[in-house]
Amino acid sequence: DTAVSQTPKYLVTQMGNDKSIKCEQNLGHDTMYWYKQDSKKFLKIMFSYNNKELIINETVPNRFSPKSPDKAHLNLHINSLELGDSAVYFCASSQAGLFSYEQYFGPGTRLTVT
Amino acid sequence: GDSVTQMEGPVTLSEEAFLTINCTYTATGYPSLFWYVQYPGEGLQLLLKATKADDKGSNKGFEATYRKETTSFHLEKGSVQVSDSAVYFCALSLNSGGYQKVTFGTGTKLQVIP
Repeated sequence: DTAVSQTPKYLVTQMGNDKSIKCEQNLGHDTMYWYKQDSKKFLKIMFSYNNKELIINETVPNRFSPKSPDKAHLNLHINSLELGDSAVYFCASSQAGLFSYEQYFGPGTRLTVT
Repeated sequence: GDSVTQMEGPVTLSEEAFLTINCTYTATGYPSLFWYVQYPGEGLQLLLKATKADDKGSNKGFEATYRKETTSFHLEKGSVQVSDSAVYFCALSLNSGGYQKVTFGTGTKLQVIP
């Protein structure tokens, strides 16, 4: 069973379009994240949700809007796509609580904006 | 703010060579420390972790010791294999109010040649 899944795996689209990436985890975790990884492999946190509530919102353009319909899902919608949005986007999840827990990552969605 | 500094790559080694990837951190409080590995085309996965000073994390022949006095968590392996070729990320995690804030290093690419 896949722990953290993302769809689609590849997404090629033109500038100005709107697209969504879906993420689901079956681990029973309360916390989910979105990361952006650029071509140099630098990983940057974008958002974090705990039990459907937004808890981390880094300096991300408001063209990016996360939505968590339930604690097992965290989707990412991107409006008016730009060339600089081309990257690999990773969803991750972890337990919440008083300690620090490992994160479980999805396989990534490679977004190419032309 | 919190930060993680890793040695720049790529690191190229021959099979069976000794590996060290340096990682130092700056954090307010007492973080947990992690090493994640990313194989080509995949998401990150946990390699090892340590939650307090002097703890040693180990997995698949890799080791790292949490050194509070030098704020370091260097990754080592005695004899690398071609299958170890990947990008390695050092990370710290701090828990605040039940939520984790994770900070990743920039990643170090390891290439092992036969």
